[in-house]
Amino acid sequence: QLQLQESGPGLVKPSETLSLTCTVSNVFISSINYYWAWIRQPPGKGLEWIGSISNSGSTYYKPSLKSRVTMSVATSKNQFSLKLSSVIAADTAVYYCASVESPLGLPWNAFNSWGQGTMVTVSS
Amino acid sequence: EIVMTQSPATLSVSPGERATLSCRASQSVSSNLAWYQQKPGQAPRLLIYGASTRATGIPARFSGSGSGTEFTLTISSLQSEDFAVYYCQQYNSWSFGQGTKLEI
Repeated sequence: QLQLQESGPGLVKPSETLSLTCTVSNVFISSINYYWAWIRQPPGKGLEWIGSISNSGSTYYKPSLKSRVTMSVATSKNQFSLKLSSVIAADTAVYYCASVESPLGLPWNAFNSWGQGTMVTVSS
Repeated sequence: EIVMTQSPATLSVSPGERATLSCRASQSVSSNLAWYQQKPGQAPRLLIYGASTRATGIPARFSGSGSGTEFTLTISSLQSEDFAVYYCQQYNSWSFGQGTKLEI
């Protein structure tokens, strides 16, 4: 069964870069049948998709975040990562990594597995 | 951006009763619609994809319907473990509704 686990700093200063890693277990991240995604949830609020990436590095980012977001895949480590630059207090949220299982190798499908989430607070 | 609107924001239902949750898209998303359940302190769990297909391990009391811009999640005979927040999500361009809290 596919498992995902987020890791990274829980506190980031304003204007700095938030960096998170998601470690994937029981599935090769290089599989063409998956896309990989980041989703966040501010405290007490709803879910917001940040972006998705394929095993080959094809990316889709939320337009309003695109200028600040970079996602990458580390195949040898079976990990993918998120970098969000110039963070502000509004970026404080629980960040989830998730998988999109897609036999056709396309990103347009539901998020079928999720990590447990990691809380990131933006504060000086 | 496709805006997803869920109603009601909160739904109060008794155990054993039926719950009907609605989701509307600001433009057609065909059947590219998923439903998730989220309990406090937990990650969301996929319930329904393709508007009406139950995900692996999801009980038959959960059903989804609709296409285009109007979608419904129905939970027949509510169990105590079903009280949670439910989100719809379109995956044409990946946006979520604001959630419906299902409470006793």
